Amino acid sequence: AQTVTQSQPEMSVQEAETVTLSCTYDTSESNYYLFWYKQPPSRQMILVIRQEAYKQQNATENRFSVNFQKAAKSFSLKISDSQLGDTAMYFCAFMKPIVNDMRFGAGTRLTVKP
Amino acid sequence: DAGVIQSPRHEVTEMGQEVTLRCKPISGHNSLFWYRQTMMRGLELLIYFNNNVPIDDSGMPEDRFSAKMPNASFSTLKIQPSEPRDSAVYFCASSLGREAYEQYFGPGTRLTVT
Repeated sequence: AQTVTQSQPEMSVQEAETVTLSCTYDTSESNYYLFWYKQPPSRQMILVIRQEAYKQQNATENRFSVNFQKAAKSFSLKISDSQLGDTAMYFCAFMKPIVNDMRFGAGTRLTVKP
Repeated sequence: DAGVIQSPRHEVTEMGQEVTLRCKPISGHNSLFWYRQTMMRGLELLIYFNNNVPIDDSGMPEDRFSAKMPNASFSTLKIQPSEPRDSAVYFCASSLGREAYEQYFGPGTRLTVT
C-alpha cells in the first residue's frame, strides 16, 4: 500500500518570504502522479500543482514549484513570495493511474504572517 | 464552469436518522469520488465510480453507508442509520480520467449527528 508522509504538522513564514513544505511517499510503482492540494479556512480543496513521475522536470505554477526526487521518493512544495492568502492546510497526495486511488498525507498547516 | 456541486452544505441530524448527501460532478468527467475528512483520520477515500460504475468501495466504513450514481451527472451518499461518529466533512470530487487524473473537489458537506 502507498503511504504519504508530511512530517511538518505546522509551519509559519513571513509575508514575501519563501517556504518549503516536505512530503515523502512509499511505493513500489514506477508510474504515478503526485499532487499538492491547498485547503484554506473555507475548507474548499484546491489543486495547487501536479507532477507525473515519468517527467524529470519539476512542475511549476506561478509562485508554486516542486522539487521531485524520484529516487528519494520526495516531493516538496516551494512557495515563493508568500502571501497572506496562502495561509491554509496543504496536503500532499499520491495516485496510481488507472486505479485512481488517491492517498493523502496528514497535511501541513501553513500560516503566513504579515 | 460550475465546478463540483454538493448539497446540502451543512446537515444536522439526530442519531438514527437517514442522511443523504448529493453531488453533481463537473460535466464531462467520468470518475467520481466520495471522501470523508475528520481530525482523527484525515482524508479518507470512501468509494469511487468510473463511468457510473462503483469500482472500489473498500473505504466504506460499514453497511450503514451506501452510494449510488444513477447517471453521469448525479451521485448520492446515504447513511442509514446515522451515528454521532459519522460527524465529519464529506467531499465529492470528480476527474476527467485517462491522462488527466487530477481531482476537483466540491465545497463539502459538514455533517453533524447529535
